[in-house]
Amino acid sequence: DGGITQSPKYLFRKEGQNVTLSCEQNLNHDAMYWYRQDPGQGLRLIYYSQIVNDFQKGDIAEGYSVSREKKESFPLTVTSAQKNPTAFYLCASRDFPGPYNEQFFGPGTRLTVL
Amino acid sequence: SQQGEEDPQALSIQEGENATMNCSYKTSINNLQWYRQNSGRGLVHLILIRSNEREKHSGRLRVTLDTSKKSSSLLITASRAADTASYFCAPLEDSGGSNYKLTFGKGTLLTVNP
Repeated sequence: DGGITQSPKYLFRKEGQNVTLSCEQNLNHDAMYWYRQDPGQGLRLIYYSQIVNDFQKGDIAEGYSVSREKKESFPLTVTSAQKNPTAFYLCASRDFPGPYNEQFFGPGTRLTVL
Repeated sequence: SQQGEEDPQALSIQEGENATMNCSYKTSINNLQWYRQNSGRGLVHLILIRSNEREKHSGRLRVTLDTSKKSSSLLITASRAADTASYFCAPLEDSGGSNYKLTFGKGTLLTVNP
């Protein structure tokens, strides 16, 4: 089955710890994205990557870091510098180039800071 | 960055009725996409309408686009309880470059009562 997987589904972290969220896709998509969603809110873009070894900051990149060493993988690290990390994190991918391709989303990771 | 604003924030209807959701945006767009999110899940792409299109259909979905008013609407006909979800519009800004990133508003929460 082709798709996007995110792991883990639920993640608990103590304050002051870094944590890495996994995102893998086997759709052969060039572009990948990380979004954050707070309760009752929309999605806010954290980071995106349109090609391997390159990525750009989104609207709320502070306190987060990413890497794109492989086409199929785009892990997100939530660092201790992120003041309010409790949220639902969604990863997405799309075929590139061209503006007319839809985004495919993973099932999400719910991060809770204790 | 470009972001759609959905209206209303919440909509409750009876099964069999039609549901209409609206989206407004600020700058010129290349295309506008609609997505659906079931509670606690990832988003699923519904339909894409290009800036030179005025109306598009897909099954029970009908999307219109009025670029002069910078607005779009999503109509779901003969709604079912399974249509209960949040619906997001995502305008893709026509920046003239290749920096494609969708941004999402807060969505419309649709509840279809059996």
